[in-house]
Amino acid sequence: DQQVKQNSPSLSVQEGRISILNCDYTNSMFDYFLWYKKYPAEGPTFLISISSIKDKNEDGRFTVFLNKSAKHLSLHIVPSQPGDSAVYFCAASASPGKLIFGQGTTLQVKP
Amino acid sequence: ETGVTQSPTHLIKTRGQQVTLRCSSQSGHNTVSWYQQALGQGPQFIFQYYREEENGRGNFPPRFSGLQFPNYSSELNVNALELDDSALYLCASSPLSTSNYGYTFGSGTRLTVV
Repeated sequence: DQQVKQNSPSLSVQEGRISILNCDYTNSMFDYFLWYKKYPAEGPTFLISISSIKDKNEDGRFTVFLNKSAKHLSLHIVPSQPGDSAVYFCAASASPGKLIFGQGTTLQVKP
Repeated sequence: ETGVTQSPTHLIKTRGQQVTLRCSSQSGHNTVSWYQQALGQGPQFIFQYYREEENGRGNFPPRFSGLQFPNYSSELNVNALELDDSALYLCASSPLSTSNYGYTFGSGTRLTVV
């Protein structure tokens, strides 16, 4: 039972354009959502998070949108840079410290 | 301020053996969680430790066990290794057991069971 799903295994965008990564969840008890970025041979690095009481959170080039009625969240990266190329994981939590991760989306930003 | 460090970085074990993986939490962090990441998948929550007690467990059998020490470092022990236990094992620490804020991952231990 996959409670958090990232249905796009990969995404390729041109440098300077917008990258949109999507994530769907099924458990309505989730109250906190996070995005992580992972390079090969490194652990996941925290990017941005959002509480279920909000519908948008912005940090520099990164914005996360939450649509609770659709149980959907997305990460927007504007403008995309080649250094953003990595695997992106969304994660959800109903209990602090216990994160449920999606399968990940590999983002490639082409120069 | 040091981050989360894990050892060893790579390990090869034979089916049926036992393995111990180690994690040093980030300074000031008293809560540690362990995750298993199989190839091509997202990390899966194994368990969490707070003040040396297990504080939540995912869907893993009892042969997966852990310890947290007074200095907040931690061990993950896996008995009777199976081929499917081959994965990247990640440790994450946080300053509060009641928040996801500041949740920091180590680089992981790559375990191969042959």
